[in-house]
Formats: sequence, C-alpha cells, structure tokens
Amino acid sequence: TQLLEQSPQFLSIQEGENLTVYCNSSSVFSSLQWYRQEPGEGPVLLVTVVTGGEVKKLKRLTFQFGDARKDSSLHITAAQPGDTGLYLCAVISGSSNTGKLIFGQGTTLQVKP
Amino acid sequence: KAGVTQTPRYLIKTRGQQVTLSCSPISGHRSVSWYQQTPGQGLQFLFEYFSETQRNKGNFPGRFSGRQFSNSRSEMNVSTLELGDSALYLCASSFGAGYGYTFGSGTRLTVV
Repeated sequence: TQLLEQSPQFLSIQEGENLTVYCNSSSVFSSLQWYRQEPGEGPVLLVTVVTGGEVKKLKRLTFQFGDARKDSSLHITAAQPGDTGLYLCAVISGSSNTGKLIFGQGTTLQVKP
Repeated sequence: KAGVTQTPRYLIKTRGQQVTLSCSPISGHRSVSWYQQTPGQGLQFLFEYFSETQRNKGNFPGRFSGRQFSNSRSEMNVSTLELGDSALYLCASSFGAGYGYTFGSGTRLTVV
C-alpha cells in the first residue's frame, strides 16, 4: 500500500489547458513537498507546504495543503510544453531529524503544443 | 554554486558483478541520501548519511551498502548485481532534515 497516492498517473493535454494533480493519504503530515523531474535528470524541489489550508503560488502553479494535512493538490493554469515532466509529491518519514523522503508514484504530464 | 554531482552518469554491468557509485554533495551539506528509481516501484529510499553516520536505511537487501567520508562525499555499493538492480540511482543532499533536498542527475545503471 502506497503511503501517498497520486492521481492521475498520466495526463496528456494541449497547451493552454488547466489541470490539477492530487496527492492523497490517510496519514497526517507535518509538511509535504512537490518536485518536478525531467527525463534524465533528478527531481527538483518546487515547494514545501507546512500549514493546513496553506496555498502557495509559483508563477502558473498553485499548491494547496489540505486543512487536515493529509492531502495536497497542484494546479497548473494555462499549461505550456515546458511544464512537461514527472510531478512527485513527497513527505519526510520518521523522526524529524532524519532525511528519509517517501514519494508518491508520480504524475506524468505531457503538454502538447 | 555547484550542484550535487553524481558519477558516473551511465554504467553497464554484468550480473554478479559489483558497482560503486559516487555522490559529491553541495558544499556545506552534511546529509546525503540515496534513492533508487524504477518504472515499476518509483522512487524508493535506500539510505541516508549524516556526518559519516548512517541514520536511516530503507528496505533493501544487504547487497546495497554505502558510506560517507569526512568531506561529506558519499558512495554506494551494490554487490552481486541482479537484473532487477537496473535503475536510476539518485543522490540528494541537504543541510539536514527540515531543509530542502537537492538531487543530482543520477547514475543510470543497466545490468545485463
């Protein structure tokens, strides 16, 4: 059983469309991170959300942490081909002084021009 | 500033051989973590080192091992390679838990 369930797994859209990616769990987390990974590269941290209900914006990307801190969403407005990649949510597992990240399975996004 | 450097980028090995992968963290980062990424299992945690001590270990067999040197550089070793070990191995460094993690570009290991 996955600790973090991401949906959808795959998404193929046209340039200019909007989309939302979800990251759900039955566990409560102190914080949650979103990464984007491009082919042949490592994941790059986009944002960390820490407060229930928190909304963070990064240009056309909007991240929200659920009120109960069990889930999160990533919304992209007017997607562009440069947004293509694997989007991963992750949480820190274990005690606060260790660096073990648990990742969701990821959402593969393809934005067609 | 320089990012996390992993060497080599690509590696082809034969079943039964062993392999050593290297990771140089960002200057000042003392935490180094290793992950295995495969299409079927996604990103899975292997182990984490902080100041030369292994602080956490994932659910991998003993064939997977690692170490960290006094300059924070880290190596991971896989002995008696199996076909299923083919994967992208990623290293991430950080000042410590609670700070952001910066990943390297990974080492693509293919076992034939």
